[in-house]
Amino acid sequence: NSKVIQTPRYLVKGQGQKAKMRCIPEKGHPVVFWYQQNKNNEFKFLINFQNQEVLQQIDMTEKRFSAECPSNSPCSLEIQSSEAGDSALYLCASSPTGANTEVFFGKGTRLTVV
Amino acid sequence: QQQVRQSPQSLTVWEGETAILNCSYENSAFDYFPWYQQFPGEGPALLIAIRSVSDKKEDGGFTIFFNKREKNLSLHIKDSQPGDSATYFCAASHTNTGKLTFGDGTVLTVKP
Repeated sequence: NSKVIQTPRYLVKGQGQKAKMRCIPEKGHPVVFWYQQNKNNEFKFLINFQNQEVLQQIDMTEKRFSAECPSNSPCSLEIQSSEAGDSALYLCASSPTGANTEVFFGKGTRLTVV
Repeated sequence: QQQVRQSPQSLTVWEGETAILNCSYENSAFDYFPWYQQFPGEGPALLIAIRSVSDKKEDGGFTIFFNKREKNLSLHIKDSQPGDSATYFCAASHTNTGKLTFGDGTVLTVKP
């Protein structure tokens, strides 16, 4: 069973509101990923970290998404100004190395933008 | 361009049968292939994974058959049970990035 903890499980925001979700990776896993899964079950990689450093991220050209993994605090993903198209399941995952080893997902945060 | 493809989109088998889920990929640099099981409202759970240096991996009732030359693989679920009814995702990554690329999933229904 995954030990990746995501909060909250459900989040409802109005358009234009800020949405913030958190993730505690499995103990001893320095690599953290964020994915978005839409209602068609398509996964979109957003960003990953090794400890506090960003490894890769998509071109968040709209600049509405930001993420961080501070030391001794949960990782977080924030959407500055939510849009209806952001409604999705946001999945956090962690891995011991990130390079072709097991990646374990949390239960996700279901964001609904009304 | 869909880098990881799964078939069929949906599959129904009877309890006790072997379910066979297929996956193919485009990128020859992919060298790690996990399969995930996802129930409605939950995150994906890692089932079993294979590295491209192997052609078969077994774990309990799950077996992956991998064909590097053809760039495809399959997941066999032996003695399927109704509790195995879920969506199964094939994913792929390569050593340089660790980032997973997912297929669109196969919805498996196991009828009692």
